[in-house]
Amino acid sequence: AQSVTQLGSHVSVSEGALVLLRCNYSSSVPPYLFWYVQYPNQGLQLLLKYTSAATLVKGINGFEAEFKKSETSFHLTKPSAHMSDAAEYFCAVSATNTGNQFYFGTGTSLTVIP
Amino acid sequence: DGGITQSPKYLFRKEGQNVTLSCEQNLNHDAMYWYRQDPGQGLRLIYYSQIVNDFQKGDIAEGYSVSREKKESFPLTVTSAQKNPTAFYLCASSIALSSPTQYFGPGTRLTVL
Repeated sequence: AQSVTQLGSHVSVSEGALVLLRCNYSSSVPPYLFWYVQYPNQGLQLLLKYTSAATLVKGINGFEAEFKKSETSFHLTKPSAHMSDAAEYFCAVSATNTGNQFYFGTGTSLTVIP
Repeated sequence: DGGITQSPKYLFRKEGQNVTLSCEQNLNHDAMYWYRQDPGQGLRLIYYSQIVNDFQKGDIAEGYSVSREKKESFPLTVTSAQKNPTAFYLCASSIALSSPTQYFGPGTRLTVL
């Protein structure tokens, strides 16, 4: 089975600073990995995904993530935080051996300080 | 525009009543999913369906029921057997069960009084 651990349930950064949200996964087979963003009382919006192509994945709104198999990590980064980035971020993993069922992390709430 | 709609956005019910949450998609996706979201717990899978007239239990199916009579629709009923139904409910779809990417609706916040 797969699982996801998001380190840090709350992260605060200053506007313009680097955003780093951590995600480590567990999977016995090559995984698919995703980052979603959720604004208050809204659904999840796909930021980016890794599906076994390039290990550095670029997403929307200037976010990117790098798949590191040796570290079983898929950390999300953005060079310069914007106030509009304040939201909840979820990492998720799926794999073909479990019918592509999604397993979500518990989320990281990002606060951007002006 | 193609997408997933969920209605209503906010729903209030008295304890002991069954309630049905709507989920409709016009993406022509075969697979649909229901998740429950609680603070600090991420999303947990309730039910999923890979095709019309077929659905499977997820990790927390007890107290819930679904139907899939049409490709576009996957309603979720929260029954009185669900012990703690107050939560945010999210519907999602994917092209097929074999497709790795899921797309989410805006969610319904259910509060049981």
